[in-house]
Amino acid sequence: QSALAQPPSVSGAPGQRVTIACTGSWYDIGGGYGVHWYQQLPGTAPRLLIYASNNRPSGVPDRFSGSRSDTSASLAITGLQAEDEADYYCQSYDTRLNAYVFGTGTKVTVL
Amino acid sequence: QITLRESGPALVKPTQTLTLTCNFSGFSLTTAGVGVGWIRQPPGKALEWLALIYWDNDKDYSPSLKNRLTITKDTSKNQVILTMTDMDPVDTGTYYCAHRHDNTACLPDWGQGTLVTVSS
Repeated sequence: QSALAQPPSVSGAPGQRVTIACTGSWYDIGGGYGVHWYQQLPGTAPRLLIYASNNRPSGVPDRFSGSRSDTSASLAITGLQAEDEADYYCQSYDTRLNAYVFGTGTKVTVL
Repeated sequence: QITLRESGPALVKPTQTLTLTCNFSGFSLTTAGVGVGWIRQPPGKALEWLALIYWDNDKDYSPSLKNRLTITKDTSKNQVILTMTDMDPVDTGTYYCAHRHDNTACLPDWGQGTLVTVSS
């Protein structure tokens, strides 16, 4: 199955807002199971950041928000902080292949 | 509190079969909607989903690796086992197991991962 498409990198100064796009198809992001986002700090396991497009698990700061439209999604980080420097992955479920699918990953750099 | 821990060999030789075990606690793999899956990550590369087993013993596999993977569960031991045949150096990476807790198909809980190196 093809990975969901993400930009390789985005960057911003502390306090700025950055967004990460995730592009899929009607079989995955548009297929009914929604899209989820994970943050992976260096040397650690991924952590669920946003689920079902725009919901935050407890403990995730409200600086992180998600949205979805048809076959694409985006993650926004407002008030960028140094600790947000990490890799971010979107994830969905491909209803045609019955397979989970991750994005290609985006590295966020805080300038 | 939900925890998952991966275990298995750190080093396997090319063509060998890899067997990884995920021991979990804090949830039951007999509860409707629950699943446990495996995801891997080559050094410096992106996450790649491998397989997932559901509470009802249904299974999903990565289409590109389906012929090499088998996922099973032992609910009495709170374990999920993944086998991958015909290992190759490109299979080197960190292997994670993760918990799916409902039908949203997200993975809210992950193990710390285990690094597997394929080399002769």
